[in-house]
Amino acid sequence: SQQGEEDPQALSIQEGENATMNCSYKTSINNLQWYRQNSGRGLVHLILIRSNEREKHSGRLRVTLDTSKKSSSLLITASRAADTASYFCATGARGGSEKLVFGKGTKLTVNP
Amino acid sequence: DTAVSQTPKYLVTQMGNDKSIKCEQNLGHDTMYWYKQDSKKFLKIMFSYNNKELIINETVPNRFSPKSPDKAHLNLHINSLELGDSAVYFCASSPRLAGVTDTQYFGPGTRLTVL
Repeated sequence: SQQGEEDPQALSIQEGENATMNCSYKTSINNLQWYRQNSGRGLVHLILIRSNEREKHSGRLRVTLDTSKKSSSLLITASRAADTASYFCATGARGGSEKLVFGKGTKLTVNP
Repeated sequence: DTAVSQTPKYLVTQMGNDKSIKCEQNLGHDTMYWYKQDSKKFLKIMFSYNNKELIINETVPNRFSPKSPDKAHLNLHINSLELGDSAVYFCASSPRLAGVTDTQYFGPGTRLTVL
């Protein structure tokens, strides 16, 4: 069954604003990852946060993880038109399963 | 360039035909995957191989058969294509397999259209 659910499904903002996307999941995880997919392209890994971490930063990206609520958020600060893409969370389940389960994604549009 | 590459990028074919998609990675990774992304952008794993050995085989029709001649290549053969097979198929690879889901590196995708 699907693990991650992103919220919102679509988000439209102006350049320079911050964008926040949320992800909820159902079972225990060993890590949670965020990926970006530009239109017509493959997915690109953005950031991985382990189950024992609460927050992680990478450039303009900030990811939080709340395992008690089984949720994560991705914040993109000072957005740019080039950030326009779909963003997916993916979870790696605890217990030895090696597969990632992806959510349906949030489509982010950054208007110049 | 180091990357995951797939061929072809586009594939248009008639129902009932058999087709193959090829994937190669030169990242030195041990694990490779096939994913299917439907029209609603939902990405679902189909197969995974670790060093030529099948380790994940999701509920996929028998018409889909992966083959890994070596750990750098993972091909996908599809028999008797159906309309519902139309999708974008992504190959991916990851560095290791040890009960931990590692970062995955994706190919550019193959858009399959079955007419």
